[in-house]
Amino acid sequence: GEDVEQSLFLSVREGDSSVINCTYTDSSSTYLYWYKQEPGAGLQLLTYIFSNMDMKQDQRLTVLLNKKDKHLSLRIADTQTGDSAIYFCAVSVFGNEKLTFGTGTRLTIIP
Amino acid sequence: DAGVTQSPTHLIKTRGQQVTLRCSPKSGHDTVSWYQQALGQGPQFIFQYYEEEERQRGNFPDRFSGHQFPNYSSELNVNALLLGDSALYLCASSDTDRGAYEQYFGPGTRLTVT
Repeated sequence: GEDVEQSLFLSVREGDSSVINCTYTDSSSTYLYWYKQEPGAGLQLLTYIFSNMDMKQDQRLTVLLNKKDKHLSLRIADTQTGDSAIYFCAVSVFGNEKLTFGTGTRLTIIP
Repeated sequence: DAGVTQSPTHLIKTRGQQVTLRCSPKSGHDTVSWYQQALGQGPQFIFQYYEEEERQRGNFPDRFSGHQFPNYSSELNVNALLLGDSALYLCASSDTDRGAYEQYFGPGTRLTVT
């Protein structure tokens, strides 16, 4: 079945850019997502990209997709303390809305 | 515009008992999916409901069952609870007319089985 992998931890200085990476195995993945989870909370949909796109920018967030390598990344510009959270990569296939998640990357901001 | 709501927030049950969790979707959404998130893990898909029917199901035993009502709200039932069922249960809603790929999550119900 589909597998989604992420590194577990990332530490970044406040004001720097954060880059969170994700790899997936199913080449038929059509929609690729980034969700944010703060402690004790549900998941917040940050952004998503269609598989026919290479890049999507939304304010401080930039998503890059390399379909050949099945690699997805999320760049957060000017990282702030409020960006501290766990970030989940997720994928789904057209016609099957089941989301398959990675294990999440915990982003820690260093003041 | 209310987002996805879930109740209760927290629940403590004993092994062998049964539990019912509830979810109200975001306004305008007609599809509800349930996920289980164990501590330190990503959410795992349990099942999805659309038009009051289970549309697809993940790799969970029959002890996990659900229901969707005409107003699109949904319940998740778990029978014969095991210690391993302790997790955060998340409900997500989406709009089938828009392709159902934008899924919005509720705050979750934290279930502890002792």
